[in-house]
Amino acid sequence: SAVISQKPSRDICQRGTSLTIQCQVDSQVTMMFWYRQQPGQSLTLIATANQGSEATYESGFVIDKFPISRPNLTFSTLTVSNMSPEDSSIYLCSVEDEPSSVADTQYFGPGTRLTVL
Amino acid sequence: AQKITQTQPGMFVQEKEAVTLDCTYDTSDQSYGLFWYKQPSSGEMIFLIYQGSYDEQNATEGRYSLNFQKARKSANLVISASQLGDSAMYFCAMKTGAGSYQLTFGKGTKLSVIP
Repeated sequence: SAVISQKPSRDICQRGTSLTIQCQVDSQVTMMFWYRQQPGQSLTLIATANQGSEATYESGFVIDKFPISRPNLTFSTLTVSNMSPEDSSIYLCSVEDEPSSVADTQYFGPGTRLTVL
Repeated sequence: AQKITQTQPGMFVQEKEAVTLDCTYDTSDQSYGLFWYKQPSSGEMIFLIYQGSYDEQNATEGRYSLNFQKARKSANLVISASQLGDSAMYFCAMKTGAGSYQLTFGKGTKLSVIP
């Protein structure tokens, strides 16, 4: 399985500021995903990041708030813009190699724990 | 629509005992994949085990096994010989073609292992 790292591992930010989270994979992967996990909740998919194309956002998430970059097959960034306390969550990136297979396992990074004051 | 239901918000198990975490799913697809993940307090999501809808045998991975009952649409995780390090949140998830091959997660079960 791929080894995935995220930076930063945690951060405390002031409202109104922005934070960019980096996700690095040790091998080339087809699909990268960004999830949000609010306190005590399950995971919610924010967007799917494909290399060389615009990210695909899920309902309730917009590019202006969560811009995503995917410059190559091993790296992606998620920016949380104009933060409010409601953005306090764990943000996780994940990767998958066979996007059209029910059998392909999605592997996750260690997460970024964000607190907005 | 795809749905995963985990009805146990929290479970307790004595160290060295076995525990079953429940998961039921709903999909009209014939082809689907079921996954279990463990999330310790550190926040990372650790893949545990996979079961395909056409797999005839229950999946096993070390101390983890999946009790797959297709007719009942259940995919319960069994952890044998529980260890203190098994204390974590456990999430059941499903992937289907109709769901655009995205993972649909349940709400999770918090497992606490008692010494």
